[in-house]
Amino acid sequence: DVQLVESGGGLVEPGGSLRLSCAASGFTFIHAWMSWVRQAPGKGLEWIGRIKSKGAGGTTEYAAPVKGRFTISRDDSQNMVFLQMNSLKTEDTAVYYCSWIGRVENYYYMVLWGKGTTVTVSS
Amino acid sequence: DIQMTQSPSSLSASVGDRVTITCRASQRINSYLNWYQQKPGKAPNLLIYAASSLMSGVPSRFSGSGSGTDFTLTISSLQPEDFATYYCQQSYDIPRTFGQGTKVEIK
Repeated sequence: DVQLVESGGGLVEPGGSLRLSCAASGFTFIHAWMSWVRQAPGKGLEWIGRIKSKGAGGTTEYAAPVKGRFTISRDDSQNMVFLQMNSLKTEDTAVYYCSWIGRVENYYYMVLWGKGTTVTVSS
Repeated sequence: DIQMTQSPSSLSASVGDRVTITCRASQRINSYLNWYQQKPGKAPNLLIYAASSLMSGVPSRFSGSGSGTDFTLTISSLQPEDFATYYCQQSYDIPRTFGQGTKVEIK
């Protein structure tokens, strides 16, 4: 089956750290560009960042609210992508989704999503 | 950052109705526009990419149109399983940005 499965969410105090994982299966991960998107309780979707395939340079981009605090990485040998979250704030409380970025020509879209993992930042 | 504004924020409709949701970008984004459907407690699901291309497996009652700054998602005949929240998202520039969502409710 083609799927993404996130893990690693939980309760953390403000200022703490957490590492989310996303396990991919059913597609050629080594060529995949991956992204993370979050959704605060009762709110809309917020793009966090993306990582390109190593063949495309393996570079990362981030949204301003998380830049310098969050880091996206990948391990192609395990078909996994990670989101390291440091200096967490209460406003980082959300469901975190990883997604596979599809592409047709220069059109990019999030074609496959995991079920999400919940992060709660609270004292 | 490119701001995406959807209207309306919510709407009530009946099964069989034709429903149109609009999305406006704060600058021209050509056809770099995607639409997603999200049901409560579930992950989003891609419906339309490149403004008007229907994702494989998505029913043909869904269609997208527009280019530049103004886009629409149309559901030609609303079905019970279509009651959900719909989001537009631009893929023209980084950071990617979403509209605030349009909740489609049962009348």
